[in-house]
Amino acid sequence: DIQMTQSPSTLSASVGDRVTITCRASQSISSWLAWYQQKPGKAPKLLIYKASSLESGVPSRFSGSGSGTEFTLTISSLQPDDFATYYCQQYNSYHLTFGPGTKVDIK
Amino acid sequence: QVQLVESGGGLVKPGGSLRLSCAASGFTFSDYYMSWIRQAPGKGLEWVSYISSSGSTIYYADSVKGRFTISRDNAKNSLYLQMNSLRAEDTAVYYCARGGGSGYWGQGTLVTVSS
Repeated sequence: DIQMTQSPSTLSASVGDRVTITCRASQSISSWLAWYQQKPGKAPKLLIYKASSLESGVPSRFSGSGSGTEFTLTISSLQPDDFATYYCQQYNSYHLTFGPGTKVDIK
Repeated sequence: QVQLVESGGGLVKPGGSLRLSCAASGFTFSDYYMSWIRQAPGKGLEWVSYISSSGSTIYYADSVKGRFTISRDNAKNSLYLQMNSLRAEDTAVYYCARGGGSGYWGQGTLVTVSS
């Protein structure tokens, strides 16, 4: 299976900060990468698909980049609603592996 | 609109069985591959199983291979997960999801394996 890693595992930030989360795949997944936001007790919410495509309705402060094995999710100006856990997911293989998550909390 | 609604979760003893269902609506179910994904309490997301649109191709995570069986009924717009020989470590919220890199997930159903 393709292994996914994320860094950092926890990130403390303030409202208005620029935040970057990195996701790495153990082998090339082209651009078949999605980013999800999850809040406690809720299903994950899709933010970005195909590495850099913004899901409809998601604020433009979220952006994704990368291809191959290295990807980033950037929040340009952190808002109170953005404190959550973020997961990357590869779907190059039908074994849809996820990264371990990055928790963004309040500094 | 696209809806996925899971059901069938509950409390079961170790070694027991449970069958989860996922009712799909708002899209042509038979056009899409489907997956089950789970999340143990306080843990991350774990892919469990995949089934192709026709049901002819199936994959499982190593952690459930030989114990879980995924299936679908395209006539009923439904996805299933038969879970046998359940273990404490199978305790999780189970989600069905459409495709990969998808915004379409159900709300989840909780499976608790405990004596």
